[in-house]
Amino acid sequence: SSDLTQDPAVSVALGQTVRITCQGASLRNQYVSWYQQKPGQAPVFVTNGKTNRPSGIPDRFSGSSSGNTASLTITGAQAEDEADYYCNSRDSSGVHLVFGGGTKLTVL
Amino acid sequence: QVQLQQWGAGLLKPSETLSLTCGVYGESFSGYYWSWIRQRPGKGLEWIGEINHSGSANYNPSLKSRSTISVDTSMMQVSLKLSPVTAADTAVYYCARSRYSDYGTYYYGMDVWGQGTTVTVSS
Repeated sequence: SSDLTQDPAVSVALGQTVRITCQGASLRNQYVSWYQQKPGQAPVFVTNGKTNRPSGIPDRFSGSSSGNTASLTITGAQAEDEADYYCNSRDSSGVHLVFGGGTKLTVL
Repeated sequence: QVQLQQWGAGLLKPSETLSLTCGVYGESFSGYYWSWIRQRPGKGLEWIGEINHSGSANYNPSLKSRSTISVDTSMMQVSLKLSPVTAADTAVYYCARSRYSDYGTYYYGMDVWGQGTTVTVSS
């Protein structure tokens, strides 16, 4: 089990907006990072809602947080956004790092 | 632009020692932490541990007793040893750069990843 909880699967119609969430008691007052992983590839850092988006990441990706829930929002999802998405932050100890279980995004 | 290049043995027998190295190219080694992460077949990402340039390391409690992460600042390399391995350690192993705010107050994520190394443990 993980300190961070994600929905296993989410779907979105092409061009629509989708929000992928990550819940955990440790998320209060911490930034949450998000990664995109396509089959057979290494994860790619997408955003942490704080620092600038990496070059190559479209501005349709944005991160936010409220209380113990962090969100990755894709505004106008594209076919190439279909992937697994993982959240990542510190765990409840404040020392160790932890990943959420991942969300498989399907673009219909 | 920083790049991480990984290498190490890909096929091990149970009870042997997994040994992987991650080379950092193109940017400063200090000022960051360097993490190891693994992904078992069909599963999610699992953080193994991290280390900074001065050798200060943190480990996943569930793997701490079997893991050793070390750093060679002169070569700009970070290494992972895991021993003894079992079939449950079969996974793709990644190294990544972890970023923190000053004094480590905030964790900003892993912004650069290595290509991954597939490790299979089988008798």
